[in-house]
Amino acid sequence: AQRVTQPEKLLSVFKGAPVELKCNYSYSGSPELFWYVQYSRQRLQLLLRHISRESIKGFTADLNKGETSFHLKKPFAQEEDSAMYYCALSSSGAGSYQLTFGKGTKLSVIP
Amino acid sequence: KAGVTQTPRYLIKTRGQQVTLSCSPISGHRSVSWYQQTPGQGLQFLFEYFSETQRNKGNFPGRFSGRQFSNSRSEMNVSTLELGDSALYLCASSLQGTSYNEQFFGPGTRLTVL
Repeated sequence: AQRVTQPEKLLSVFKGAPVELKCNYSYSGSPELFWYVQYSRQRLQLLLRHISRESIKGFTADLNKGETSFHLKKPFAQEEDSAMYYCALSSSGAGSYQLTFGKGTKLSVIP
Repeated sequence: KAGVTQTPRYLIKTRGQQVTLSCSPISGHRSVSWYQQTPGQGLQFLFEYFSETQRNKGNFPGRFSGRQFSNSRSEMNVSTLELGDSALYLCASSLQGTSYNEQFFGPGTRLTVL
């Protein structure tokens, strides 16, 4: 069975400081991993996915299969980054896929 | 393009009752997934529908069921409500329901069971 672990419930950093949100996964197949973000009073939305290997809003995430990790990083935190962040893993079954989410990390950027 | 809509936004029921929640996907999207979000368990996958067929189901009791109509709108039903069913129920739609398609989430329906 697949599992996603986000060890930190809450992470507080100062504006301009680097940010790293940790995500570890457990999955027997080839993982497809995502980061979702939920800003205050907004919907859950996709931030980035590992297959795209892109940087969104200054955030990047690298899949490390050896350490089974997919940590989210940003070199300089901004106040608008304050939000709830969820790491998710997709698994395929019967032609569809489902997302398994971690429990989320609340990022608070202190001005 | 209008986003995913869910109705109603809030619902209060008592134990033993049943409830039906509705989800309208983004136009052109054929896959609809449902998730339950609670403070204790986080976001958990309920089921996924594609072209009116349930393709995948999470680990929930049979009291949780759903369906999808020919216009891709979906409903989920919970029968014999229990206190533990109190949660935010999220619906998400995507084009084809593969990991290459982004899932777009609705605002959720907040269900309170008294």
